[in-house]
Amino acid sequence: DAGVTQSPTHLIKTRGQQVTLRCSPKSGHDTVSWYQQALGQGPQFIFQYYEEEERQRGNFPDRFSGHQFPNYSSELNVNALLLGDSALYLCASSLGGGLQFFGPGTRLTVL
Amino acid sequence: QKEVEQNSGPLSVPEGAIASLNCTYSDRVSQSFFWYRQYSGKSPELIMSIYSNGDKEDGRFTAQLNKASQYVSLLIRDSQPSDSATYLCAVTEGGNNRLAFGKGNQVVVIP
Repeated sequence: DAGVTQSPTHLIKTRGQQVTLRCSPKSGHDTVSWYQQALGQGPQFIFQYYEEEERQRGNFPDRFSGHQFPNYSSELNVNALLLGDSALYLCASSLGGGLQFFGPGTRLTVL
Repeated sequence: QKEVEQNSGPLSVPEGAIASLNCTYSDRVSQSFFWYRQYSGKSPELIMSIYSNGDKEDGRFTAQLNKASQYVSLLIRDSQPSDSATYLCAVTEGGNNRLAFGKGNQVVVIP
């Protein structure tokens, strides 16, 4: 039974560029939540997708957008990258409002 | 803004001892409480969930919840070097299942 997968593992971008991160949820899960974890901090909630719609959103600017596909996989897009966007981006999957299990994360570095 | 506080600095414990971690939260509506373990460079791993006042034991881990005091704790008995990690406290915000995390507490188990 595959767990949550994310791609890519690492990514290096320059300021102003755009990035797309991908997540496949755990088998049987239908909800995907995205979190940003800066170094030395706890994860911060970005948004959550269920039934291909953004259901909840944290305190992140519109530069952060996402999508969920019919197979429940999800993408996180960040436009106009800033140095401060450098972080570990975590995807968590759940069945509805149940327990959230994290993927391995994508380490984004913005130069 | 809802807050989850983990104020203790790094905790060093000898192998075999009990490690005690504390967490307070500000949102009285929070219903679900979790402890995640995060090894350096890895993603958070769910180790405990607790929903009602009192104690919940799972192997060497015990979670304690006191909703009146808005306090949740984690005890690690018979600490092992493999327990050396950062422990993140997380609570659900309001009636949603979005997670609010503390900054985490680093635990170092000394052989």
